Amino acid sequence: AQKITQTQPGMFVQEKEAVTLDCTYDTSDPSYGLFWYKQPSSGEMIFLIYQGSYDQQNATEGRYSLNFQKARKSANLVISASQLGDSAMYFCAMREPRDSNYQLIWGAGTKLIIKP
Amino acid sequence: KAGVTQTPRYLIKTRGQQVTLSCSPISGHRSVSWYQQTPGQGLQFLFEYFSETQRNKGNFPGRFSGRQFSNSRSEMNVSTLELGDSALYLCASSLAKGPLEQYFGPGTRLTVT
Repeated sequence: AQKITQTQPGMFVQEKEAVTLDCTYDTSDPSYGLFWYKQPSSGEMIFLIYQGSYDQQNATEGRYSLNFQKARKSANLVISASQLGDSAMYFCAMREPRDSNYQLIWGAGTKLIIKP
Repeated sequence: KAGVTQTPRYLIKTRGQQVTLSCSPISGHRSVSWYQQTPGQGLQFLFEYFSETQRNKGNFPGRFSGRQFSNSRSEMNVSTLELGDSALYLCASSLAKGPLEQYFGPGTRLTVT
């Protein structure tokens, strides 16, 4: 069964608009972590934001925020005021302590294209 | 501080050959993880090394192996290459064990013909 699901293979968004990238996850472990990474066409994976399952507040990092809805097992990434440089692949990933010593499980990714 | 470096950036090999990829972590980082990224399978964890010891391994055949040196630099080796091994191989380093605050390198793109 898919543990990390990103339902949007691709998205087009107008520059300066906010964008929400969806991520749902599946785990029975109460302790887990959720990550979002950005991968530009150059290939390098860039860490954006992290949310721990016990964190009370939704994580925020500059223009990035994570809309964490634990009951729905959802961890959507919100990018405010999108910029042309935000065009990239975005990956959601989960870390479970039970799953082989904390290795990351990755979603399939969403290709985001920002239109000028 | 220099980031994670991977060499070579691009590589073309033929089936049956073997290949060695190198990863130099950020100075002071002791953990190095390797990932394979393909269009069909997405990102998959290969293995993690910490202080020269493999502490975690993904579900890959024994043809995939790795090691870490005392300076934390890591190499991964793929023997008897298959067409399906064509992929972007990403290396990530972190201070501690596990995937928190991993910093990725630019990757090595391997093409097997």
